[in-house]
Amino acid sequence: NAGVTQTPKFRVLKTGQSMTLLCAQDMNHEYMYWYRQDPGMGLRLIHYSVGEGTTAKGEVPDGYNVSRLKKQNFLLGLESAAPSQTSVYFCASSAPGTSNYEYTDTQYFGPGTRLTVL
Amino acid sequence: AQKVTQAQTEISVVEKEDVTLDCVYETRDTTYYLFWYKQPPSGELVFLIRRNSFDEQNEISGRYSWNFQKSTSSFNFTITASQVVDSAVYFCALSGGYSGGGADGLTFGKGTHLIIQP
Repeated sequence: NAGVTQTPKFRVLKTGQSMTLLCAQDMNHEYMYWYRQDPGMGLRLIHYSVGEGTTAKGEVPDGYNVSRLKKQNFLLGLESAAPSQTSVYFCASSAPGTSNYEYTDTQYFGPGTRLTVL
Repeated sequence: AQKVTQAQTEISVVEKEDVTLDCVYETRDTTYYLFWYKQPPSGELVFLIRRNSFDEQNEISGRYSWNFQKSTSSFNFTITASQVVDSAVYFCALSGGYSGGGADGLTFGKGTHLIIQP
């Protein structure tokens, strides 16, 4: 049971290049999330998905696209990378709560991807 | 809008001292969840605790304890007899807003960097 994994761990891009970050989870979780972490800013939500084939915008979605074609995978794409997208990206997953009083389960995070855009 | 404030940017104590990390939150939701995560120097995010808004009981887990006070919108974290291995960045986070299953992302504070000196 690997939990949440992210590929790649490190990447350096030039401005204008594109790339896709892959997140995979083997816990059969319905919900998946992408966050970015910048120095002194904490983590901020980029996009999230409540199930296969559905995605929604978070706090800082501009410049990113996502897809959830399979339940276990959540992809984050940068179509034209900018230096402002230099950050550490974390993926997380969680399951729906088990009762009316437990509607949000704990989010478990991947190890992160450190992206530098030159 | 939700907000989490961790006013202490950095705390430095000597090993074996007790230390309290403050967390103050803002939300309009009547039902919400509060979390603490630990980010050691290796960079991963480690889940520590989740607290429901309708459960104000304090919790103790070994050297860790949490004090949830709805009246002051605070969810403080205390480490007793601190150890060098406790050195990390600690994040307080908030989840709320039941939206058909509660898949909301977390709102994070900016984190408190805790340094335990030997």
